[in-house]
Amino acid sequence: GNSVTQMEGPVTLSEEAFLTINCTYTATGYPSLFWYVQYPGEGLQLLLKATKADDKGSNKGFEATYRKETTSFHLEKGSVQVSDSAVYFCALAGGTSYGKLTFGQGTILTVHP
Amino acid sequence: DSGVTQTPKHLITATGQRVTLRCSPRSGDLSVYWYQQSLDQGLQFLIQYYNGEERAKGNILERFSAQQFPDLHSELNLSSLELGDSALYFCASSVGSSGLEQYFGPGTRLTVT
Repeated sequence: GNSVTQMEGPVTLSEEAFLTINCTYTATGYPSLFWYVQYPGEGLQLLLKATKADDKGSNKGFEATYRKETTSFHLEKGSVQVSDSAVYFCALAGGTSYGKLTFGQGTILTVHP
Repeated sequence: DSGVTQTPKHLITATGQRVTLRCSPRSGDLSVYWYQQSLDQGLQFLIQYYNGEERAKGNILERFSAQQFPDLHSELNLSSLELGDSALYFCASSVGSSGLEQYFGPGTRLTVT
């Protein structure tokens, strides 16, 4: 079945540092890929998405590129802020998992001033 | 604010009891999805309804059931509760049935004592 693997966390950075959170997936068919963010005490918010190979999703300074050859969708941001501290989830939908999101385990990001 | 509402926000109950969680999707969305988030299992898809019909089923226990009503709100019923059912339960909604671009509610935190 489909699966998503995220880099082990937690990740701790200083403000203005570069962020990468790795995400790889296993899927049959042609899934769409997503990054969701969960701030403390809140639900999940869609951060960005990509629906086909080589698409780049971007939002609020975050970017991720759908790489079919490496089955990856790594999240990057050039300069993180304290307000980016949250849990980040990589997810996929479509392909053979029609109708549901399959999530990675989540990566806790803490940014210090 | 995603536009998806969930009630109640918190629920504390005893083992063996039955509870009902409620979800109202975003205006215009026909699909409702239920997810369970726990520390050991992460985010797990439970079930999807589309326009009143069950569309996809995930790792939902037989003690759990759901339905979607004509006004498109949904309820998740959890019975014979066990300590291990303590978790955050999220509802999400989307326009179509494919699972793409889901918007999440704030969640219901269930504590079973």
